[in-house]
Amino acid sequence: QQPVQSPQAVILREGEDAVINCSSSKALYSVHWYRQKHGEAPVFLMILLKGGEQKGHDKISASFNEKKQQSSLYLTASQLSYSGTYFCGTEMSTGNQFYFGTGTSLTVIP
Amino acid sequence: DSGVTQTPKHLITATGQRVTLRCSPRSGDLSVYWYQQSLDQGLQFLIQYYNGEERAKGNILERFSAQQFPDLHSELNLSSLELGDSALYFCASSRSLGLAYTGELFFGEGSRLTVL
Repeated sequence: QQPVQSPQAVILREGEDAVINCSSSKALYSVHWYRQKHGEAPVFLMILLKGGEQKGHDKISASFNEKKQQSSLYLTASQLSYSGTYFCGTEMSTGNQFYFGTGTSLTVIP
Repeated sequence: DSGVTQTPKHLITATGQRVTLRCSPRSGDLSVYWYQQSLDQGLQFLIQYYNGEERAKGNILERFSAQQFPDLHSELNLSSLELGDSALYFCASSRSLGLAYTGELFFGEGSRLTVL
């Protein structure tokens, strides 16, 4: 039931773009994205509720394809502060178990 | 500061022992989630409580148990500890039962358990 993320790791130079994918084998009710810096707790980025929904948050945005049970996180013009591990989180129905994906380590270098 | 408090922050113990991790959720939050994160690994969902009742179970071992008390704080009990139980244990809270409408989970700083 744990969603699978790809890629597992990515290294970017400042200013480059990245896409992180999250895929579930089960139908999804909502998809959430979190970022975790090394040694810290995960921090919420955004939530997507409806199929086809897209959201933006500064230069970080995401989409949710309900039919494909997939979500993608888009990071544009990456900054050093974007480094960390990104997790998607999924609920199959409201109040159900909340599973985090396998994680994607993102490193932005100067 | 997320408002979620976890104690202890660090704990070192021996195999076969039992420990209790404590979590105080944000004021007003009724849901508490427990996650296990082994070294450089993902966040494994263990269990969820809502207003004192167990609501969802994940990959929680039989040696582990949890409860949420009337004052809404929660405890995770780990017994017959093994080396592989060494991990960072996170507690997270949210306002309501589901996350779709309230959105985010607020995480504590975690309790790092080392089993020697």
